[in-house]
Amino acid sequence: GAVVSQHPSRVICKSGTSVKIECRSLDFQATTMFWYRQFPKKSLMLMATSNEGSKATYEQGVEKDKFLINHASLTLSTLTVTSAHPEDSSFYICSALKAYEQYFGPGTRLTVT
Amino acid sequence: AQKVTQAQTEISVVEKEDVTLDCVYETRDTTYYLFWYKQPPSGELVFLIRRNSFDEQNEISGRYSWNFQKSTSSFNFTITASQVVDSAVYFCALSEAVGGNKLTFGTGTQLKVEL
Repeated sequence: GAVVSQHPSRVICKSGTSVKIECRSLDFQATTMFWYRQFPKKSLMLMATSNEGSKATYEQGVEKDKFLINHASLTLSTLTVTSAHPEDSSFYICSALKAYEQYFGPGTRLTVT
Repeated sequence: AQKVTQAQTEISVVEKEDVTLDCVYETRDTTYYLFWYKQPPSGELVFLIRRNSFDEQNEISGRYSWNFQKSTSSFNFTITASQVVDSAVYFCALSEAVGGNKLTFGTGTQLKVEL
């Protein structure tokens, strides 16, 4: 199998602070990971493609300075929401690519108060 | 650009009824992959099926079956004898071979199975 974990599963932070979300591939190496955002009762929207050892590729309309992505190892990608605001509250899901297949993490629910 | 349309936003059925979830896609690529995922209230995406564009054979897995028709660009999903545990949001998704494996999701169909 291919297991992907995310940490934390839930986080509440105050407006203006930054929060880091980790995505780990537990039993395989992933040079490519993806970050998605999902608003309540909405679809998953791809935010960026995270590439190990290089800069992430952001989708149109996603602020790269606000959503910092670091893929420092073959098993870990991190998404940092900087200076979070209530409108950043959402469900963030990562996936790791293995043999052309995306394996999804369980998601992180971010609430900004 | 690729696009996935799930016209049914919400479906309610009574347990043991059969239900079909529709998915229509658009792509310019000749090589692409279609997926179905289940998202229960916990939020975790559960992979159900992956189908490549060259394989139009229908597939059955237990109570689940999929009908892939390239002529109508559809990839419909049928649950036979639905159960309460089938209640979830179901997403259809598409990735193009040249798209770097990026997935484009449909808007999802909320399925509610009641007793």
